[in-house]
Amino acid sequence: KAGVTQTPRYLIKTRGQQVTLSCSPISGHRSVSWYQQTPGQGLQFLFEYFSETQRNKGNFPGRFSGRQFSNSRSEMNVSTLELGDSALYLCASSPSPSGGTDTQYFGPGTRLTVL
Amino acid sequence: AQSVTQLGSHVSVSEGALVLLRCNYSSSVPPYLFWYVQYPNQGLQLLLKYTSAATLVKGINGFEAEFKKSETSFHLTKPSAHMSDAAEYFCAVGTGTASKLTFGTGTRLQVTL
Repeated sequence: KAGVTQTPRYLIKTRGQQVTLSCSPISGHRSVSWYQQTPGQGLQFLFEYFSETQRNKGNFPGRFSGRQFSNSRSEMNVSTLELGDSALYLCASSPSPSGGTDTQYFGPGTRLTVL
Repeated sequence: AQSVTQLGSHVSVSEGALVLLRCNYSSSVPPYLFWYVQYPNQGLQLLLKYTSAATLVKGINGFEAEFKKSETSFHLTKPSAHMSDAAEYFCAVGTGTASKLTFGTGTRLQVTL
């Protein structure tokens, strides 16, 4: 079974631009979560989608948004990019709606650099 | 609210020596605990998971962890380190109905000859 895939793997943007990252979960997985990883703040939860609905949201500004499609693929969007948005963005999928008990399987991440 | 504390941002061991990475958690409800490993320029790979079935959890690559409720700990161990174990290790806690993990700050494991 193929793992979680994320595209693109690397991205360079300038301040003020917007960006869209894509995540395809493992086949059959219905929950997709997004995390931001930075050297200073570590791994931080952005949001989770299940059955096209945002089920939980982390403490990030409204510039960070996401959505999930009927095939469980997910996208996240960051508008008005800031230098501090430079990070590795990780997507994770899990199989069932059990929430905290589920194992989350992570993709390789998208490395976003904001200049 | 839950939180995770990993003691030691860097741990160095000799090849063949015991690996011990420490993790303490705080949770108001019974936690589900995870250890993940991250190799350079890669995502996170699950090593093992505790979901209250057994306190001693065996994972991949010879790693295991023991859940100690009285100490609120979930330390990761491996009897004999291998060079390929050099990576960053993250402890995480999950609770509630959403797939949301709270991660520790990570421990970078260095294995020397």
